[in-house]
Amino acid sequence: NIVMTQSPKSMSISVGDRVTMNCKASQNVYNNIAWYQQKPGKSPKLLIYYASNRYTGVPDRFTGSGSGTDFTLTINSVQAEDAAFYYCQRIYNSPYTFGAGTKLELK
Amino acid sequence: EVQLVETGGGLVQPGRSLKLSCVASGFTFNNYWMSWTRQAPGKGLEWVASITNSGGSTYYPDSVKGRFTISRDNAQNTLYLQMNSLRSEDTATYYCTRGSKGFAYWGQGTLVTVSS
Repeated sequence: NIVMTQSPKSMSISVGDRVTMNCKASQNVYNNIAWYQQKPGKSPKLLIYYASNRYTGVPDRFTGSGSGTDFTLTINSVQAEDAAFYYCQRIYNSPYTFGAGTKLELK
Repeated sequence: EVQLVETGGGLVQPGRSLKLSCVASGFTFNNYWMSWTRQAPGKGLEWVASITNSGGSTYYPDSVKGRFTISRDNAQNTLYLQMNSLRSEDTATYYCTRGSKGFAYWGQGTLVTVSS
């Protein structure tokens, strides 16, 4: 079964900084990756699909990249409201495995 | 406006069964794959089951295969999750989700607690 490994587990960033988080698949998933944001007590929100496509309404400071086994979510000029958990997920083919998540905290 | 409303959660003893429902509105239900995803308290997301728009094919991870069954009633715009032989590790908030190229819509979730 495919394993999605996210790193780092957590990070503490200042408003205005640029942040990069990673997702590594245990086998080639081509560009079949989605990224989600989840704030405490809320349902997750889709940010990126097919590795680099920004979902409707997602601010352009969120950028996804990568293919094959290595993927990156970048947030340019982090805002206070970006403090959340971020999850990657394999899509298009079952199993639709999630990574364990990266917690983004603001200093 | 797309809405997904889950019901059916609650406290259930280990080994027993529970059936969750998700009523969909705001879109043409039979055009979309649907899924269930869960989140244990304080933990990450876990995909639980998916079903094609016609209901003809279903998909599960090994952790629930043989115990959980996803189904849908396209005439009633309703998605179901039948959960049998429940275990303590099935305790989680269960979300109904829509989409196949990423889960674009999520319900508010329903909490299932498996405990004696």
